[in-house]
Amino acid sequence: GAVVSQHPSWVICKSGTSVKIECRSLDFQATTMFWYRQFPKQSLMLMATSNEGSKATYEQGVEKDKFLINHASLTLSTLTVTSAHPEDSSFYICSAGSPNTDTQYFGPGTRLTVL
Amino acid sequence: TQLLEQSPQFLSIQEGENLTVYCNSSSVFSSLQWYRQEPGEGPVLLVTVVTGGEVKKLKRLTFQFGDARKDSSLHITAAQPGDTGLYLCAGEETSGSRLTFGEGTQLTVNP
Repeated sequence: GAVVSQHPSWVICKSGTSVKIECRSLDFQATTMFWYRQFPKQSLMLMATSNEGSKATYEQGVEKDKFLINHASLTLSTLTVTSAHPEDSSFYICSAGSPNTDTQYFGPGTRLTVL
Repeated sequence: TQLLEQSPQFLSIQEGENLTVYCNSSSVFSSLQWYRQEPGEGPVLLVTVVTGGEVKKLKRLTFQFGDARKDSSLHITAAQPGDTGLYLCAGEETSGSRLTFGEGTQLTVNP
């Protein structure tokens, strides 16, 4: 099946710094990628939809200036958490849509801890 | 925004027991997917149901899509400790569009 990778798998940073998370589709091209956030014991919450070559579409309540999304190629989308604060600590998961199967394939997630 | 209500949220059972997880909505979905997620990992797709009334089986797991495509259920027969995990249902409004996730069911199967 299709493989989606995320890097890093975990990151610890100081409050006020910025962190970039990469999401790659390894064996297919994804025109659309999705970014989710998951807090402990909770479900996935969609943050934004990333479309290659255009601006991302953010869900209500998600600050676009804080969570910068770039989808520069058909295999890579990045999420940058700017000026991170402890409340941004969470599990960030991306998924990539396969145009051939209309199926979303999920990455393994990135654990962000902001001190 | 379409909402999916999943129940129960927590379930702790003994090995060998049967269980059913429900996923309900007032909205119609073009497809509904079930995922299983383990701690620190991304969700893994178990099945996609598309047709109203559809039933799919995956070993001891049976998935059903409601006739009206508004609800779904996951039934596990003779649960094993290895079935422990977070089970998530997710509905797709139209093919290839965003997924709406249910709240999840944390299943613990005790040996």
